[in-house]
Amino acid sequence: AQKITQTQPGMFVQEKEAVTLDCTYDTSDQSYGLFWYKQPSSGEMIFLIYQGSYDEQNATEGRYSLNFQKARKSANLVISASQLGDSAMYFCAMRGIYNFNKFYFGSGTKLNVKP
Amino acid sequence: DAEITQSPRHKITETGRQVTLACHQTWNHNNMFWYRQDLGHGLRLIHYSYGVQDTNKGEVSDGYSVSRSNTEDLPLTLESAASSQTSVYFCASSEAGRAFFGQGTRLTVV
Repeated sequence: AQKITQTQPGMFVQEKEAVTLDCTYDTSDQSYGLFWYKQPSSGEMIFLIYQGSYDEQNATEGRYSLNFQKARKSANLVISASQLGDSAMYFCAMRGIYNFNKFYFGSGTKLNVKP
Repeated sequence: DAEITQSPRHKITETGRQVTLACHQTWNHNNMFWYRQDLGHGLRLIHYSYGVQDTNKGEVSDGYSVSRSNTEDLPLTLESAASSQTSVYFCASSEAGRAFFGQGTRLTVV
C-alpha cells in the first residue's frame, strides 16, 4: 500500500525567504510518481511539480523545486523567494505503477507567508 | 479548453436525504475519481472509475455510490446523508499519470 506523510500541519515563512515543506512516502512499487499540489483559500487544487522515481535530477518549475531523496523516501518541496500569494495548503501526492492513475495524498501543510 | 466541473459548488441537506453531486469532464479521460477533504486527513479516495461501466471502492466508500454510464460523467450519490459526510468533495480525472481536479463541492449535512 502507498502512504504519504506530511508532518508539518502549519508553517510560517517571511516574504522573500525560502521554505521547505516536508513529505515522506512509503511504497513497495519500484516505479512511482510524486506530485505537489497547492490549494489556495479559493479551494481549487493547482498542480505544481512532478518527480518520477527514476528521474535522476530533481524537478524544478520556476520558484518550485522538489528535493527528491529516494533512499530516504522523501520528496520535499522547496519554494524560493516566498510571495504573499504562496499562502495556501500544500499537498504531497503519489501514484504507483500498478494503479498508474490512482493518487494518494498526504494530510497537507498550511503555509503562511508573512509580509 | 478542456475542463472538469462540479455542481453544485455548495449544498446544505438534511440527515437521511439522498444527495447526488455531479462531476463532468471534457478531457475525455477514462479515469475519474471522487475524494473527500477533511482537516487533518488530506484527500481520501471514495470511489474511482477506469472507464464506462467500471466502478471501484476507495478507502472511505461506505455510504457512497457512483455510476459511470459515459466517459464524461461520474456522479457521486450519498444514499442517506449523515452528519459525518459533511465535507468538501473533489472530483478528479487523470490520464498519463497526471490528475486534474474540479473546483470542489462543499456539502453540509444538518
